[in-house]
Amino acid sequence: ETGVTQSPTHLIKTRGQQVTLRCSSQSGHNTVSWYQQALGQGPQFIFQYYREEENGRGNFPPRFSGLQFPNYSSELNVNALELDDSALYLCASSPQTSGYNEQFFGPGTRLTVL
Amino acid sequence: SQELEQSPQSLIVQEGKNLTINCTSSKTLYGLYWYKQKYGEGLIFLMMLQKGGEEKSHEKITAKLDEKKQQSSLHITASQPSHAGIYLCGAPRWGGGADGLTFGKGTHLIIQP
Repeated sequence: ETGVTQSPTHLIKTRGQQVTLRCSSQSGHNTVSWYQQALGQGPQFIFQYYREEENGRGNFPPRFSGLQFPNYSSELNVNALELDDSALYLCASSPQTSGYNEQFFGPGTRLTVL
Repeated sequence: SQELEQSPQSLIVQEGKNLTINCTSSKTLYGLYWYKQKYGEGLIFLMMLQKGGEEKSHEKITAKLDEKKQQSSLHITASQPSHAGIYLCGAPRWGGGADGLTFGKGTHLIIQP
């Protein structure tokens, strides 16, 4: 069974640029959540996708957007990058949206905005 | 939404000693997750608690959820260097199973040989 994978591992961008981060969910999981973790903080929920639809959103501006594909993999897109967007971006998959299911996390993508 | 406070923020413990980490919520917890994170890496699931008074153990780690479902503790017995890392508690944002998790800021655990 393949776990959650994310790409790229590290990324450096400059302010104002756009970035796309990718996540492959664990086999059999149809729900993907994205989190932003700033240094020294806990992860902050960005949004969740279930069957290709956004299913919940945290307190992030519209320049943070996402997609989920039929194979349940997902992308996180961030436009007009700001210095404060520098963080570890984590993706988590879970088998369904109902009930209290464990979320399986990927290794993360470290984004640095200069 | 949920807000979780963890204590202590950091902890230095001599190898072999026991330790406890606490997670307190401002609202009733409908589920409480414990994760461990190595610095700069992804989160590793440890345990999930749902019922008031519930207690779960795995190897040398025990987690409890109090009867009022507003506080959880994580206890490590006879700590080892492999226990070092950041421990995070998380809970469903709105009390339901769907949607994302709210996390505490984490407890940094250092094990001294």
